[in-house]
Amino acid sequence: AQSVAQPEDQVNVAEGNPLTVKCTYSVSGNPYLFWYVQYPNRGLQFLLKYITGDNLVKGSYGFEAEFNKSQTSFHLKKPSALVSDSALYFCAVSPPLDSNYQLIWGAGTKLIIKP
Amino acid sequence: DAGVTQSPTHLIKTRGQQVTLRCSPKSGHDTVSWYQQALGQGPQFIFQYYEEEERQRGNFPDRFSGHQFPNYSSELNVNALLLGDSALYLCASSPGPTRDNEQFFGPGTRLTVL
Repeated sequence: AQSVAQPEDQVNVAEGNPLTVKCTYSVSGNPYLFWYVQYPNRGLQFLLKYITGDNLVKGSYGFEAEFNKSQTSFHLKKPSALVSDSALYFCAVSPPLDSNYQLIWGAGTKLIIKP
Repeated sequence: DAGVTQSPTHLIKTRGQQVTLRCSPKSGHDTVSWYQQALGQGPQFIFQYYEEEERQRGNFPDRFSGHQFPNYSSELNVNALLLGDSALYLCASSPGPTRDNEQFFGPGTRLTVL
């Protein structure tokens, strides 16, 4: 079965330190990969995506993600965390067109940035 | 420019009832997708509408149905509600049904089934 895993329910980082939120996937073919963020009482917001090309993609609010095909991973990173980055982060994968699913989502990782 | 809007914000129903949720897409978007997000979980894809037709469907029973209107707005209908249908229902729009498009989400409708 196709799936997306976010192995950490919660990640705690001190403000100013680098952060990494992990995502691995099990999808056949060449998937498209996305990161979204969900702030309390607000809808999901798009951060970045990987379609093809350079394995390092840059997105909103200083976030970037590295696609690793051999490890089937798409980890989200930021060089210096801000308290305002505290939110719920979701990795999502769009399988090839012959799949019945538009997006397959991970369970989410709660990111807590401490001052 | 208004983003994706959903109504109502909250809804309380009892088992066996029927519910209709509404969504207006972001201006310029013609594709609407619906998701169910249970507490503490990621969204689960219900279906996608494009050109007033259901284009893709996730693993949800026929109790879940939808509609898209000529102005691209959409409705999600759930019949014979079960306790397990309690969740946040998210609507997302995009400028076309292709899978590389990022989606713009509304704030969601919180459905509670008693």
